[in-house]
Amino acid sequence: DIQMTQSPSSLSASVGDRVTITCQASQDIRKYLNWYQQKPGKAPKLLIYDASYLETGVSARFRGSGSGTDYSFTITSLQPEDFATYYCQQYDNLPYTFGQGTKLEIK
Amino acid sequence: QVQLVESGGGVVQPGRSLRLSCAASGFTFSSYAMYWVRQAPGKGLDCVAIISNDGSNNYYADSVKGRFTISRDNTNNTLSLQMSSLRAEDTAIYYCARDWAIAVAGNWQGTLDSWGQGTLVTVSS
Repeated sequence: DIQMTQSPSSLSASVGDRVTITCQASQDIRKYLNWYQQKPGKAPKLLIYDASYLETGVSARFRGSGSGTDYSFTITSLQPEDFATYYCQQYDNLPYTFGQGTKLEIK
Repeated sequence: QVQLVESGGGVVQPGRSLRLSCAASGFTFSSYAMYWVRQAPGKGLDCVAIISNDGSNNYYADSVKGRFTISRDNTNNTLSLQMSSLRAEDTAIYYCARDWAIAVAGNWQGTLDSWGQGTLVTVSS
């Protein structure tokens, strides 16, 4: 199975900050990498697909990049509604696996 | 708009069975592969089963293989997960989700673009 190591596991930041989360795969996943946002008590929501493409209707302050085994997710200017948990997910090989999540909290 | 509504969760004793359902609307259900993804309390996400748009192809995580069966009814736009020999470690919120792409040749793309609200399964004596 491909292991997805996401860091940090938690992060405190302020409204307006720029934050970056990283995800490292245990092998090359050829940009088959998605990012999801999950708020408490809610289902995950797709934000970024294929490492860097913004899902329709998602704010452009969310950005994804990377290739090979190393990927990053950036929120350019944090808004109050962005405080949530974020997950990466690889779909290069079954089983599709998720990172352990990054909980973004208000400082 | 796409709507996925899960039902069937509850409290069940270890070793017993439970059937989850997911009612789909707002899209052509028969054109998309579907997933069941679970999330144990306070934990991350785990894809447990996938079924192709026509039901001809499926996948199970090792942790549920031989115990869970995914199926679909394209006439009634319903996805199901039959769970048997349940264990305490199966306790989780179970989400149904849709594959991002219109299916080609009974396969799936791997991006989950729409999710239901989830149904909680608790396995406890």
